[in-house]
Amino acid sequence: AQTVTQSQPEMSVQEAETVTLSCTYDTSENNYYLFWYKQPPSRQMILVIRQEAYKQQNATENRFSVNFQKAAKSFSLKISDSQLGDTAMYFCAFMLRDDKIIFGKGTRLHILP
Amino acid sequence: DSGVTQTPKHLITATGQRVTLRCSPRSGDLSVYWYQQSLDQGLQFLIQYYNGEERAKGNILERFSAQQFPDLHSELNLSSLELGDSALYFCASSPQLAGGEETQYFGPGTRLLVL
Repeated sequence: AQTVTQSQPEMSVQEAETVTLSCTYDTSENNYYLFWYKQPPSRQMILVIRQEAYKQQNATENRFSVNFQKAAKSFSLKISDSQLGDTAMYFCAFMLRDDKIIFGKGTRLHILP
Repeated sequence: DSGVTQTPKHLITATGQRVTLRCSPRSGDLSVYWYQQSLDQGLQFLIQYYNGEERAKGNILERFSAQQFPDLHSELNLSSLELGDSALYFCASSPQLAGGEETQYFGPGTRLLVL
């Protein structure tokens, strides 16, 4: 069975700093998708970044980038130049093609002014 | 296993039909959330119920409705289905009324295919 683990329940960083959120997963499959979702207090879930497992290049979206280590089954999210609006709950998620999505328990991130 | 259960796991139906998706939250959790997830659009929050009452509404179509029953299980009703409604629908639960302050526990989802 696939599992997703986020080992950091909560983190706080100063504005403009860089922060890395950890995520590890377990699967015996070779083709899958990985996601980071952001959930601000509005409860809307926002897709931050997506990575296809067959792509070796790490995905990047503006200030957000991932460090995808397939052999280690690690998928960490790096937020550069953090902003107050980045304060949210961040979920790491795993999905096999045409299958259910599995979320980690989330990391609550506080950006401090 | 998050403790959240959803039935059915898979559902195939035709355009114009109506379906009902069911969610049982973790024991003791009062809040239930419904989400729609498609690969290209990501995850969309639909609606939240807390102890039987609607508390927040997201991008839920008028053709969709939901309710939470006294035993706290919830149902999402989708009517006049269209091809674009094909997606993964899942629910999550949390102990209290979450304002982004609590972890949500997600169910495995129901995969809906509209033909």
